[in-house]
Amino acid sequence: DGGITQSPKYLFRKEGQNVTLSCEQNLNHDAMYWYRQDPGQGLRLIYYSQIVNDFQKGDIAEGYSVSREKKESFPLTVTSAQKNPTAFYLCASSSRGPPYEQYFGPGTRLTVT
Amino acid sequence: AQSVTQPDIHITVSEGASLELRCNYSYGATHYLFWYVQSPGQGLQLLLKYFSGDTLVQGVKGFEAEFKRSQSSFNLRKPSVHWSDAAEYFCAVGAVRGDDYKLSFGAGTTVTVRA
Repeated sequence: DGGITQSPKYLFRKEGQNVTLSCEQNLNHDAMYWYRQDPGQGLRLIYYSQIVNDFQKGDIAEGYSVSREKKESFPLTVTSAQKNPTAFYLCASSSRGPPYEQYFGPGTRLTVT
Repeated sequence: AQSVTQPDIHITVSEGASLELRCNYSYGATHYLFWYVQSPGQGLQLLLKYFSGDTLVQGVKGFEAEFKRSQSSFNLRKPSVHWSDAAEYFCAVGAVRGDDYKLSFGAGTTVTVRA
């Protein structure tokens, strides 16, 4: 069964701690993406990677970091520098050719107190 | 910069009635258009997509959308809504610039279905 897995579903952290969100895909997609979703704001792009060992900042990259060491995996670290980390985080992947539709994982809800 | 507007934040529709969700975008480059649906606490599921050809596209769950270049719109429709269609719907527009590709999302429209 092909798809995208994100773990864990719910994550709780204390303020000041870094936390890493997992994203794995077995769709053989080259491109992977991280989005943040807040109520009433749609999805905002954090980081994306079109190919292994390369990634670019999205619209709201400050306070986040990523790595892309394997095609299947694109972990996101939420650092203590992120001012409002509590949100729903979605990972997606796509092929590099048209029509470029993105497939999404089930999401991770991060709560920082 | 690209922008995607979904003018309706919330729509309530009776079961069996028709539904239309609006989406407008501003764009210059070659683009790709999508509608996604999201149930509470879940990921996004692709309903349909357009990138060339017939401007009326059919999707899953009985949804269709029409691309109107002159109006910069990509409205989603369903002739008869079922209670299970209650969800949040997102319009997205993609842009390709060289090797770079990104999606921009609208803020979403929440659909409530009343019996």
